[in-house]
Amino acid sequence: EAQVTQNPRYLITVTGKKLTVTCSQNMNHEYMSWYRQDPGLGLRQIYYSMNVEVTDKGDVPEGYKVSRKEKRNFPLILESPSPNQTSLYFCASREYTGELFFGEGSRLTVL
Amino acid sequence: QQQVKQSPQSLIVQKGGISIINCAYENTAFDYFPWYQQFPGKGPALLIAIRPDVSEKKEGRFTISFNKSAKQFSLHIMDSQPGDSATYFCAAITDSWGKFQFGAGTQVVVTP
Repeated sequence: EAQVTQNPRYLITVTGKKLTVTCSQNMNHEYMSWYRQDPGLGLRQIYYSMNVEVTDKGDVPEGYKVSRKEKRNFPLILESPSPNQTSLYFCASREYTGELFFGEGSRLTVL
Repeated sequence: QQQVKQSPQSLIVQKGGISIINCAYENTAFDYFPWYQQFPGKGPALLIAIRPDVSEKKEGRFTISFNKSAKQFSLHIMDSQPGDSATYFCAAITDSWGKFQFGAGTQVVVTP
């Protein structure tokens, strides 16, 4: 089954404790990206990757890091999480053009 | 600062009615305009999409109208059903850039 898998789905952490949200896709897609969803703000792009080893900032990259060492994986790293990073996070992938496939989301709470 | 402005924020429509959601954009370089549907606890899923070389696209009860000169596009849901109750997002992208811009979302509630 074609899918984008994120882990963990739910996480509560404390300020400053580094965490990584993993994302993996099995569709051999070139493009992968991360979004955060906040009430009233919709989906905002954090980072995207057009292909392996190439990443670019989206609209809200501050406080986040990513890496794309292989085609199927695109982890999101929060080096020192803060409460304003409490949000619902989505990973997504697509071919170079066309439909963007989303994961099920990861709900992060930073205390 | 959102490059795609979506309205209304929410709407309630009776079963069988028409739901209309509007989006406006500024960047004329956008070349792909999808609409996504999201149910609670799920990721968004593509509903329908259009490219700027056509003015309308219809798939079942869902229609996108696209006005290139006005830089606006809208989603029409005909014969709305309770199962259409969800949040809808418009989006815009320039394929060669890879930067997706999403609207703020519209929560649609279809009453029986």
